[in-house]
Amino acid sequence: DTGVSQDPRHKITKRGQNVTFRCDPISEHNRLYWYRQTLGQGPEFLTYFQNEAQLEKSRLLSDRFSAERPKGSFSTLEIQRTEQGDSAMYLCASSLGPGARYEQFFGPGTRLTVL
Amino acid sequence: GEDVEQSLFLSVREGDSSVINCTYTDSSSTYLYWYKQEPGAGLQLLTYIFSNMDMKQDQRLTVLLNKKDKHLSLRIADTQTGDSAIYFCAETPEGPGGYQKVTFGTGTKLQVIP
Repeated sequence: DTGVSQDPRHKITKRGQNVTFRCDPISEHNRLYWYRQTLGQGPEFLTYFQNEAQLEKSRLLSDRFSAERPKGSFSTLEIQRTEQGDSAMYLCASSLGPGARYEQFFGPGTRLTVL
Repeated sequence: GEDVEQSLFLSVREGDSSVINCTYTDSSSTYLYWYKQEPGAGLQLLTYIFSNMDMKQDQRLTVLLNKKDKHLSLRIADTQTGDSAIYFCAETPEGPGGYQKVTFGTGTKLQVIP
């Protein structure tokens, strides 16, 4: 296992379409995080899973966004009825254990462009 | 809410020291981090410091924390062209249940001139 992987790396879609991104964390990590990064900004927290349980969702995560981690392994992030404001880099991270001392390892991100 | 601020850009000559500064507002910050982001690559954790420390040194990196002023800095000694990247300051409180919600700054783009 070489790290966190994300698929696809790039996605171009038309406004109003649905998109789904996948994240495969480091295999033994029970925590998985989604962040969004817009141009010139730092990543913003979206949501977090411990195993299959989604424990927190940011106010940034509107009703059009849904994230799942069905078996506590990979996770998907779906955006319905995409808007141009959804264009961003979507980053996934995973960590081994509880507490802030455990490093979050980031994937390379999925860059979404909504036309 | 939490806020983390950084200057946007820093340019240094190869071999010089770089100092990247950050201020944060959350007084409950427990861990403070420095991440590096290179084009096309994911965020890489460089170092972190616990809030009860005021300095941490790791090879060419020195982190200084002034908790009273909520000021964090990252010093890179003998800066190399490979250090050119965007550097993010980040912080997290020790949340309930032990989860960590990391708040990132806007990033400082470091340009190293050969």
